[in-house]
Amino acid sequence: AQTVTQSQPEMSVQEAETVTLSCTYDTSESDYYLFWYKQPPSRQMILVIRQEAYKQQNATENRFSVNFQKAAKSFSLKISDSQLGDAAMYFCAYRSVFNGNKLVFGAGTILRVKS
Amino acid sequence: NAGVTQTPKFQVLKTGQSMTLQCAQDMNHNSMYWYRQDPGMGLRLIYYSASEGTTDKGEVPNGYNVSRLNKREFSLRLESAAPSQTSVYFCASTKGGRGGNQPQHFGDGTRLSIL
Repeated sequence: AQTVTQSQPEMSVQEAETVTLSCTYDTSESDYYLFWYKQPPSRQMILVIRQEAYKQQNATENRFSVNFQKAAKSFSLKISDSQLGDAAMYFCAYRSVFNGNKLVFGAGTILRVKS
Repeated sequence: NAGVTQTPKFQVLKTGQSMTLQCAQDMNHNSMYWYRQDPGMGLRLIYYSASEGTTDKGEVPNGYNVSRLNKREFSLRLESAAPSQTSVYFCASTKGGRGGNQPQHFGDGTRLSIL
């Protein structure tokens, strides 16, 4: 079974600075997808960014980018120019292309943004 | 578009009571999921339905039952609620199938407390 590990329970960043959230995963599959979800206090689950394992190029979405290291099974999220609205819980998630497209989540990282 | 709609948003039950959490999606998605979120553990899959007419157990199915009523609706039932089932419950849906990197779309969650 796949597992996802987020080793940082909590992180802090100064407004306008850059922060990186870590995520590692364990799988024997070669084809899969990785996601970062944001959960603000409103409890909504908001997709931040996605990465296909077969793509070597790292995904970017405006201020959000990933560092995908397939051999190391690492998928970190970089947030540039941090804003107060970025404060939230962030979840890393793995999805197999088999078995009903189920998501396996990490435990989450709370991101605090200081003004 | 409503997306994924969960009802109710909050519920308090007594131990031994039963209840059904409702979920409906209007995106014509094939696959639907029920997760629970507990502090420090991320989201864990309870049950899922890869397509209409099928349901399968996830990581933590004990104490729950599900029904895929039609393509739009996927309900979660607690037959005899226990305090250990106090949690936030999320329903999600996705197009399904092996093609593409479609993310799961989440409802706003149900906060359930068992006394």
